Amino acid sequence: KAGVTQTPRYLIKTRGQQVTLSCSPISGHRSVSWYQQTPGQGLQFLFEYFSETQRNKGNFPGRFSGRQFSNSRSEMNVSTLELGDSALYLCASSPPGTDTQYFGPGTRLTVL
Amino acid sequence: AQSVSQHNHHVILSEAASLELGCNYSYGGTVNLFWYVQYPGQHLQLLLKYFSGDPLVKGIKGFEAEFIKSKFSFNLRKPSVQWSDTAEYFCAVNAAGAGGTSYGKLTFGQGTILTVHP
Repeated sequence: KAGVTQTPRYLIKTRGQQVTLSCSPISGHRSVSWYQQTPGQGLQFLFEYFSETQRNKGNFPGRFSGRQFSNSRSEMNVSTLELGDSALYLCASSPPGTDTQYFGPGTRLTVL
Repeated sequence: AQSVSQHNHHVILSEAASLELGCNYSYGGTVNLFWYVQYPGQHLQLLLKYFSGDPLVKGIKGFEAEFIKSKFSFNLRKPSVQWSDTAEYFCAVNAAGAGGTSYGKLTFGQGTILTVHP
């Protein structure tokens, strides 16, 4: 099976812009979680989607949002980008009936 | 709220040395526990996991971990490290079956960078 894929792999944006990141889970996985990884804060949970519904959300401002489509693919959006949003954004998917998460390679976002 | 503490930020070893990375968590309920590894330039990979049963779990590449419930610990071990084990290691916890705010949420420790000298 193909692993979790994320596009694009690298992004450079300027402050105030918005960005959309995409994640395709492993085939058959319906739960998708998103994380932000920074050197200072480590890995922090953003949100989780299952069957097109957000079931859980971390402590991030409303500028961070996401959605999931009927084929389980997920997108996250960050509006009004700030310098501090520069990070590696990771997506993970879980097979039905388990809490084990499998991670994608991430999208490296740089905000200038 | 859950939290995870990894005691060592950077561990430096020579090849063939034994490894133990500490991980403690705080959560009063039942947990699922994980160790992930991130090799340079690669994505997070699952090393091993504990859900229930035998508290000594074996993972890939010769790694094992022991869950000690009374100590809220899940330490990672390897009897003899190799240069190729150089990577960053993350301990993570998920509240098992708690629903609600535990859905899809792993709480990670800050990570331990392991450098193995040949």
